[in-house]
Amino acid sequence: AQKVTQAQTEISVVEKEDVTLDCVYETRDTTYYLFWYKQPPSGELVFLIRRNSFDEQNEISGRYSWNFQKSTSSFNFTITASQVVDSAVYFCALSRDDKIIFGKGTRLHILP
Amino acid sequence: DGGITQSPKYLFRKEGQNVTLSCEQNLNHDAMYWYRQDPGQGLRLIYYSQIVNDFQKGDIAEGYSVSREKKESFPLTVTSAQKNPTAFYLCASNRGGNHNEQFFGPGTRLTVL
Repeated sequence: AQKVTQAQTEISVVEKEDVTLDCVYETRDTTYYLFWYKQPPSGELVFLIRRNSFDEQNEISGRYSWNFQKSTSSFNFTITASQVVDSAVYFCALSRDDKIIFGKGTRLHILP
Repeated sequence: DGGITQSPKYLFRKEGQNVTLSCEQNLNHDAMYWYRQDPGQGLRLIYYSQIVNDFQKGDIAEGYSVSREKKESFPLTVTSAQKNPTAFYLCASNRGGNHNEQFFGPGTRLTVL
């Protein structure tokens, strides 16, 4: 069955520390897509990144980076030099049929 | 500005009443989605529509109904048959397919008293 596991329910770090959010997935598809979304306290989900299963290159966008490893079925997200504004719930998601499924999310607290 | 609007932000209803949540998009997206979010549960798909006048059940459709008469609009009705309707409801849209990112509205928090 297709599934997304975000084992870290809640993480707290002090501002300026680096933090990695884990995402492990299961799928029977050979072609699939992975996503990360951010949900700030306002509630609206914000798209961060999409990765297809054929592209294992790591991606960096400012302080954000993503490590996709098919061998371990993982798509981890690292925030470097965290800031208080990074406090949010982060969701990893996986394509399934004609839609996507979400993990349960990791709540990240950045402490000043 | 292009985007998705959901109204109202907060909604209170008495038990046993049907209630309809609004979702409108001006992104010219073909597909629209309704999710329910409960604490610690992530997002669960209720219904989705890939095209006007057509929609499919998601993982937790029981007690809900939808319509898609216009491309821009995808209202969700929470019926009295839904056993635990109190939740945060999110609407999303995209150009269709599972490879395109979804854009989300601000959500409606429904509380049934």
